[in-house]
Amino acid sequence: QKEVEQDPGPLSVPEGAIVSLNCTYSNSAFQYFMWYRQYSRKGPELLMYTYSSGNKEDGRFTAQVDKSSKYISLFIRDSQPSDSATYLCAMSLQGGSEKLVFGKGTKLTVNP
Amino acid sequence: EAQVTQNPRYLITVTGKKLTVTCSQNMNHEYMSWYRQDPGLGLRQIYYSMNVEVTDKGDVPEGYKVSRKEKRNFPLILESPSPNQTSLYFCASRAWTGRADTQYFGPGTRLTVL
Repeated sequence: QKEVEQDPGPLSVPEGAIVSLNCTYSNSAFQYFMWYRQYSRKGPELLMYTYSSGNKEDGRFTAQVDKSSKYISLFIRDSQPSDSATYLCAMSLQGGSEKLVFGKGTKLTVNP
Repeated sequence: EAQVTQNPRYLITVTGKKLTVTCSQNMNHEYMSWYRQDPGLGLRQIYYSMNVEVTDKGDVPEGYKVSRKEKRNFPLILESPSPNQTSLYFCASRAWTGRADTQYFGPGTRLTVL
């Protein structure tokens, strides 16, 4: 079993839809969770990060962590064509740890 | 402007010919990392460095070397490249304070080993 599992998609939604992106993990020692967005032919950019179980909101983006189920989610509200990208989850044993484990990424297309 | 630069951006080489990919950041970040990205395998960490002269292996370090002699630079060295090292490589720098996490990735280096 891979440490981090992420459905690669592709996922295609109409503009304005709520998007749900998910990752599961097997190592219950992971404490710090991140989401990245990667546009085609670009490097990843950090979108959100959190330690906690529960929700963290930033504009149209909400990161959700359920440590008991070893499941994390990223929700995008009112999705826009500019949200079309690959979204990667990542996690580490602690916030200051530079050793990161990534999911394979989910490719999202938001259609106008 | 905060940035991570990588050179070269594209490289085609032959098996066994030593090469170095440079990485430089202008943000005085302590943390730097190298990743490779392959279709179907995602982003995998090769090496990381938490400060000058402090480096450690990531998930796929075999066939790679790094050095961190100064804070701004973190070169990736392939002593004897092989075709299975054909990949897209990213360098990243990071500042983590416990309250804030700031990460920057470089634009990528596409390497082909024939």
